[in-house]
Order: sequence, then C-alpha cells, then structure tokens
Amino acid sequence: NAGVTQTPKFQVLKTGQSMTLQCAQDMNHNSMYWYRQDPGMGLRLIYYSASEGTTDKGEVPNGYNVSRLNKREFSLRLESAAPSQTSVYFCASRGADRGDTQYFGPGTRLTVL
Amino acid sequence: KQEVTQIPAALSVPEGENLVLNCSFTDSAIYNLQWFRQDPGKGLTSLLLIQSSQREQTSGRLNASLDKSSGRSTLYIAASQPGDSATYLCAVRHWNSGYALNFGKGTSLLVTP
Repeated sequence: NAGVTQTPKFQVLKTGQSMTLQCAQDMNHNSMYWYRQDPGMGLRLIYYSASEGTTDKGEVPNGYNVSRLNKREFSLRLESAAPSQTSVYFCASRGADRGDTQYFGPGTRLTVL
Repeated sequence: KQEVTQIPAALSVPEGENLVLNCSFTDSAIYNLQWFRQDPGKGLTSLLLIQSSQREQTSGRLNASLDKSSGRSTLYIAASQPGDSATYLCAVRHWNSGYALNFGKGTSLLVTP
C-alpha cells in the first residue's frame, strides 16, 4: 500500500517547455487535488477532481491543465512553463475514512529557468 | 476568501517543554479543520482532524482544540521531543469550498536536546 505517489521527484525545465506531473493513489479515493507550495505563500490549490470524470479550478489554475485519467490517476500538465511556476507541487487524495482527511504525496520540486 | 493565519511563524524550545501552536481563521462557517506536519523536503502528514461540531481531538501527546465562534484552533504538544521538529500546518475546509482546504503558512518548530 503505497498511498499517494508522484513522479518525477525533481525536474528542471526551460521557459516554454512542457511537462506532465503524474500522481496516483491506491486507496480507492474519489477526490484528488493538486497544490503548489511556495515560500511565504503556503499551499495553494491549483485544481481538484471530486470524482472520476470531473475536474474543477482551484485558487491558482492559470497555466495548468489536469486530467483525471481514471479513479487512481490525476495528472497536472504545464503546457508552456514559466519561471513563476517554479515551485513544489503536491498531489493529495481524500477518502471517506477518518472523516475528511487528505493524504499527500511526497511532492515534485520543479525549477523553470 | 477564508484567511488562515498561524502564529508564531517559528518557535524554538528545549526538549521536554509543553508548547502551543496557534491558528486563526476569518470565516467561522467551517466544515472542519486539520493539523498537518511537514518534514523538510517531504509531503504533509495529517495529525488531527476536528469536525465543526467537535471541540477537541487528541492523539498521543497531541491535542487540538477548536473554537469556531472566535475563529481559533490550538495544537498542544506535550513533553516535546527533538523528533517533533518540523513545520506544522493548519488547514480549514469551508462549507462551500468544494472539499478544498485553505492552508496557513505554518509554524516551523525546532526542539533542541
């Protein structure tokens, strides 16, 4: 039982390049989330998926797209990376167990030059 | 927009002390509040979740309280240990937030031997 996994752990991009961050959970959770964490800003929600087949914008969705591929997987895509997207990205999932607890992955540290 | 504030931003205490971390939020119409722990370079681990109808939750040496009317929560750590050194984050889920969490910026705790 791996919980929430994210790939890659680290990535360096040049401005304008694209990439997809992958997230998978093995807890049979319906809801999944993408956050970014920046120094002095805390964690901010980018997109979330309440259930398979649905996605909604969070607080900072500009420059990102998401895909809920199936119940297990929720990917985040940067179509044209910008230095302002340098951040640590966390994926999380939420289940009905233990109330409303969100479980987080280990994060992807992204640098855009 | 729900604002979540954590005070202090950083705290250093000698081992064995009891300590209190504070979290305040501007909108009292919350669904629940969670306390997380984040170790350097790692993801978030949920410590305690308090539903809006509850006043406190306990897990081992940790006790979290919630006062919705005043918009405050405290995390009490008894008999602190060096292994408690981490950043502690408070997150609030609002009734109309679509399951998303609003995070504070965290309190960085250092427990010295």
